[in-house]
Amino acid sequence: GENVEQHPSTLSVQEGDSAVIKCTYSDSASNYFPWYKQELGKGPQLIIDIRSNVGEKKDQRIAVTLNKTAKHFSLHITETQPEDSAVYFCAASDGNQFYFGTGTSLTVIP
Amino acid sequence: NAGVMQNPRHLVRRRGQEARLRCSPVKGHSHVYWYRQLPEEGLKFMVYLQKENIIDESGMPKERFSAEFPKEGPSILRIQQVVRGDSAAYFCASSRGQISSGNTIYFGEGSWLTVV
Repeated sequence: GENVEQHPSTLSVQEGDSAVIKCTYSDSASNYFPWYKQELGKGPQLIIDIRSNVGEKKDQRIAVTLNKTAKHFSLHITETQPEDSAVYFCAASDGNQFYFGTGTSLTVIP
Repeated sequence: NAGVMQNPRHLVRRRGQEARLRCSPVKGHSHVYWYRQLPEEGLKFMVYLQKENIIDESGMPKERFSAEFPKEGPSILRIQQVVRGDSAAYFCASSRGQISSGNTIYFGEGSWLTVV
């Protein structure tokens, strides 16, 4: 089955700096890669996603890049704000189910 | 979370009791997924259901766990004879159609089960 690895597990940045979270996947059949943000005591919320026919996607301060050859994808958050502090999960899907990374706890220091 | 409703939000059960977790998908969504999240860990797939059918239960423990999504009413995740190791957050998600058709899944706020 698919194996998704996510790094780093924790990340602290100063407010206004950028944050980058990286994931790798193992199954070349995976073709859909969403990112979720989970705040304490809440469910994961979809923040951005990318499909395998696209190399990059941007939505305001958030961007995701995908390298199919190397089987890795990354989340980029620019101009970080304290409200960006949360746990971020990457996922890969082969069309049947989602496989999640182990999460990155992001802390934005004011 | 696009309207996925889960209840109860918090549930405490004694060892050996049964836990029933309910999930109402987003209106118009006919695909439901259950995930389990242990403390400090990621989300682990348990089961994928469409109305009245279990599509994929490869992540479901073979014993004590069952899931259903009847024609009418919410999806139910049932855990019989709970043990302390069942303590976790259980998340339900739904999608309008198959992931392979370009649909994505939206999560509910979760049900936190504590077994004492």
